Parts: sequence; structure tokens; C-alpha cells
Amino acid sequence: GENVEQHPSTLSVQEGDSAVIKCTYSDSASNYFPWYKQELGKRPQLIIDIRSNVGEKKDQRIAVTLNKTAKHFSLHITETQPEDSAVYFCAAMDTGRRALTFGSGTRLQVQP
Amino acid sequence: NAGVMQNPRHLVRRRGQEARLRCSPMKGHSHVYWYRQLPEEGLKFMVYLQKENIIDESGMPKERFSAEFPKEGPSILRIQQVVRGDSAAYFCASSPGQGSTKEQYFGPGTRLTVT
Repeated sequence: GENVEQHPSTLSVQEGDSAVIKCTYSDSASNYFPWYKQELGKRPQLIIDIRSNVGEKKDQRIAVTLNKTAKHFSLHITETQPEDSAVYFCAAMDTGRRALTFGSGTRLQVQP
Repeated sequence: NAGVMQNPRHLVRRRGQEARLRCSPMKGHSHVYWYRQLPEEGLKFMVYLQKENIIDESGMPKERFSAEFPKEGPSILRIQQVVRGDSAAYFCASSPGQGSTKEQYFGPGTRLTVT
């Protein structure tokens, strides 16, 4: 089955700096890669996603890149703000299934 | 447009009791997924259902756990004879399930505590 690894587990940045979170996946059949933001005690919120036919996608301050050959994808947050502080999860879904396989999460702390 | 609804939000059960968790998908969504999240961990897939059908239950323990999504009403995740290890947050997600749409939107979760 699919295995998703996520790094780093914790990340602390100064307000205004950029943050990068990286994930690798094992199943070459995976073709959909969403990112979720989860605040303490809240539901995971879909913030951006990318499909395997695209190499990069951007939405305001967040962007995701995908390298299918290397089987890794990354989340980039620019001009970070304190309200970006949360746990971020990457996930992968393969062609034949609808189940998401999640990474272990990255706790992002943006210092004001 | 109401999002995914789950109830109860918090559930306390003694060991050996049954827990019933309910999930109503977003309007227009016909696919439901259940995930479990242990403290400080990621979400683990349990089961994927469409109306009246279990499509994939590969992540669900073989014993004590069952799920359904009837023609009318919410999806229900049932845990019989709960044990302390069942304590976790249980999230439901839904998707339209049409065409190539893959996005899954999560409910607020049910936090189960087994005492």
C-alpha cells in the first residue's frame, strides 16, 4: 500500500519568512496530493491540492510543487503570519482507490 | 451550504459499551470516508462508503467495528465493546464522487474517550 513520509515534524519561523514542508510517497500510481491545515481541536481543512498532470500550483501565499519522478511534493508558504500556525498534513491518493494516505504532520509555529 | 456534520462532538464510554458516531455529508455529496486520528498523529483511513454500499473497508479493524451509510439518514460508525485503545478523534469526510473530483471535506470530528 501507499506510504507517505513528511518532514520536518516541527518547524518554527519568524513572521514574514517562508516555510517549506516536504513529503515523499511510495506508490507511483498515486495521482492526487492534497494538503490540509489543522488547528488545535479543529477539523482538517483542505488548503491546496495538486494532481499528477501538473508540476506546480499556486494560490496567493501558498504553493505546492510535485516531482513525479522523485515521488515527492512540497508545500511552500510565503510571508508567513501568526495565523498560519497549525499542523499541516500532506496526503496522497492513488488511481484505484479513494482513500487518502496521510503524512505524520508538521507543526508550524510562526513567531511574531 | 452546510458543511459535513458529525455528532456527537464528544463521547465518553466505559469499557465494554458501544459507541455510535454519526456523519451527514455535505449537500450533494454521496461518498463518505471515515478516518481515525490518535493524539499527536496523522489521520488513518478506516472505511469508504457510498449510499447502501461499503466500497473499501481495508483500514477498519475486523472485529468490533462496523460502518453503514443507509439510503436515508447519516452514515454511522459503530464500535462495539470499546476498549481504551479506541480513544481517538474520528473524522468523517465527504466528496461529490462524480467524475474526476477527488477533494474530500472533513467534518468537525467526534472525540471518543473510553474510561
